[in-house]
Amino acid sequence: DSGVTQTPKHLITATGQRVTLRCSPRSGDLSVYWYQQSLDQGLQFLIQYYNGEERAKGNILERFSAQQFPDLHSELNLSSLELGDSALYFCASSAGEGYNEQFFGPGTRLTVL
Amino acid sequence: GQNIDQPTEMTATEGAIVQINCTYQTSGFNGLFWYQQHAGEAPTFLSYNVLDGLEEKGRFSSFLSRSKGYSYLLLKELQMKDSASYLCAVWDDKIIFGKGTRLHILP
Repeated sequence: DSGVTQTPKHLITATGQRVTLRCSPRSGDLSVYWYQQSLDQGLQFLIQYYNGEERAKGNILERFSAQQFPDLHSELNLSSLELGDSALYFCASSAGEGYNEQFFGPGTRLTVL
Repeated sequence: GQNIDQPTEMTATEGAIVQINCTYQTSGFNGLFWYQQHAGEAPTFLSYNVLDGLEEKGRFSSFLSRSKGYSYLLLKELQMKDSASYLCAVWDDKIIFGKGTRLHILP
């Protein structure tokens, strides 16, 4: 158990819908990272927050947005969902701002029908 | 452009040694990571290299050559539980992952 929690574990929805994925980092970690993993693309970095502020942005679509709240939990919002958004979404956390060791949550498996 | 290359699959025998290579081309470099990921599970951290040379941690070692844009992960005394994907990742101004190497261990 990494200490990072993600909810829900599974999510099934339809095209065009909007969903919210939630992540709670390890106690004391200030950075939260979001990743998307699909079979053909591998693990893709989406976005990082550090202590509530956006720190780095990767291949995140405009239909996706995220935020980190004062209690340091984070949410990833996915809207206007498409079939291609079906993937495993991981959240990770680390103690510092830089890319030191990251601890991954168990992931949320999103299926868009 | 930014690119990380590693073999798609490798097979090795229990008790043997295997080396998984990773080459990268990035505009910047702040360090290289190796992660292990079992099927259907989250990645777990194995190593972090920022300086050239070999870092040893138990049965696993990781090597980095920044001038060559090259790293390898060395796994010794292979066990069946080492069957997993091994992900190479580079910290540029953001973290970039390779597509991973699926390692199969034969008894």
